Amino acid sequence: VQLVESGGGVVQPGGSLRLSCEASGFTFDNFAMHWVRQAPGKGLEWVSLIPGDGDNTVYTDSVKGRFTISRDNDKNSLYLHLNRLTTDDTALYYCAKDAGKYYFGSGSYHYFDLWGQGTLVTVSS
Amino acid sequence: QSVLTQPPSASATPGQRVTISCSGSNSNIGRNTVNWYQRLPGTAPKLLIHTNDQRPSGVPDRFSGSKSGTSASLAISGLQSEDEADYHCATWDASLNGWVFGGGTKLTVL
Repeated sequence: VQLVESGGGVVQPGGSLRLSCEASGFTFDNFAMHWVRQAPGKGLEWVSLIPGDGDNTVYTDSVKGRFTISRDNDKNSLYLHLNRLTTDDTALYYCAKDAGKYYFGSGSYHYFDLWGQGTLVTVSS
Repeated sequence: QSVLTQPPSASATPGQRVTISCSGSNSNIGRNTVNWYQRLPGTAPKLLIHTNDQRPSGVPDRFSGSKSGTSASLAISGLQSEDEADYHCATWDASLNGWVFGGGTKLTVL
């Protein structure tokens, strides 16, 4: 049972990147998935979630309109498209598995029960 | 500035008990369950406590969680050197319509 992220790298401000997370060892489409990031010297920051069926995605305000979360359940893969990147987006990006499949207006009784090792995104000129 | 407030650091000697607090508001901890994550140096975060006080399989019973009103706490008893890690609380925020984390507490075992 594991999650493996890839796709990080160094990108200039205003640039784009696509992160991937490959899941194995569990029935991927039975669970919602998340992206969580940690900037240098800062705490964890939740970025986005996508339910098991891919509908009704949710984003933190700072990335709305710039980042897009998606999943391919046939490939057991989660993605995060990062556009119009700024230096504030520099962080280690983790994908995380939710314990549930759907969100009904609240995250109560949900939790992240499996995390990947992370992929580093550095936004710098 | 994190939505949930945790002390940036805590320390204790082996065998002692340490408590880490997590303070929020009525829009987050006050109405939703709280989870705790442990991040050992150089590793991915790991679920430690979920739904306020539930331990996943494999987590020692030295770790316990509680919640009261708009605050939550993580307690570690019989502290061991391998408990030296960063600890993060998290919950859903109804006003923000998303997950919020505390800033993390770095636990040092003296």
